[in-house]
Amino acid sequence: GEDVEQSLFLSVREGDSSVINCTYTDSSSTYLYWYKQEPGAGLQLLTYIFSNMDMKQDQRLTVLLNKKDKHLSLRIADTQTGDSAIYFCAERQGGNNNDMRFGAGTRLTVKP
Amino acid sequence: DTGVSQNPRHKITKRGQNVTFRCDPISEHNRLYWYRQTLGQGPEFLTYFQNEAQLEKSRLLSDRFSAERPKGSFSTLEIQRTEQGDSAMYLCASSLDDRGHEQFFGPGTRLTVL
Repeated sequence: GEDVEQSLFLSVREGDSSVINCTYTDSSSTYLYWYKQEPGAGLQLLTYIFSNMDMKQDQRLTVLLNKKDKHLSLRIADTQTGDSAIYFCAERQGGNNNDMRFGAGTRLTVKP
Repeated sequence: DTGVSQNPRHKITKRGQNVTFRCDPISEHNRLYWYRQTLGQGPEFLTYFQNEAQLEKSRLLSDRFSAERPKGSFSTLEIQRTEQGDSAMYLCASSLDDRGHEQFFGPGTRLTVL
């Protein structure tokens, strides 16, 4: 099965909050990431969190980590149409392991 | 533009032909990564360099694939005897040695094998 799982689609109205969820299976994951991919573009690192943290906030973005349940979420406050994109969750063990494993991505659609 | 660049952006080839892609990382980054992304999926790790040394290879990297980074700067990914299953987006990323967790991605090379 997948190492990192995400729901495939999320649709919200402009101005609402979006919450994108991710689960992972590797308990040794040290770093957890959120990337954004717009059509025809590469992946843009949005934010990351160390496994010894349970929350990180960066402007409109809030990352919550429940290490016990291996659950990661990304909350986007006041979602804008420009936030429409595919959001990827990824995890990495750290140390000498540079193998980053990605989920299949959640396509966020923001309706005006 | 000082980001990661990749060339070409698109490549269409016939089955059985060889193709080569190039990646230019951010200039001060000494780590370079190659990923493959198929439609509807997240990127899958292929291989990683620290300077000119190729330190890790995924089992996805078959014998037909070879990557080099001869001078520790740009890298090339060659696919020999391409197959239709090789059709994908090939992504390159780079990072600084002491901040290896922050990988910056290029726009990718989309390969279509007919």
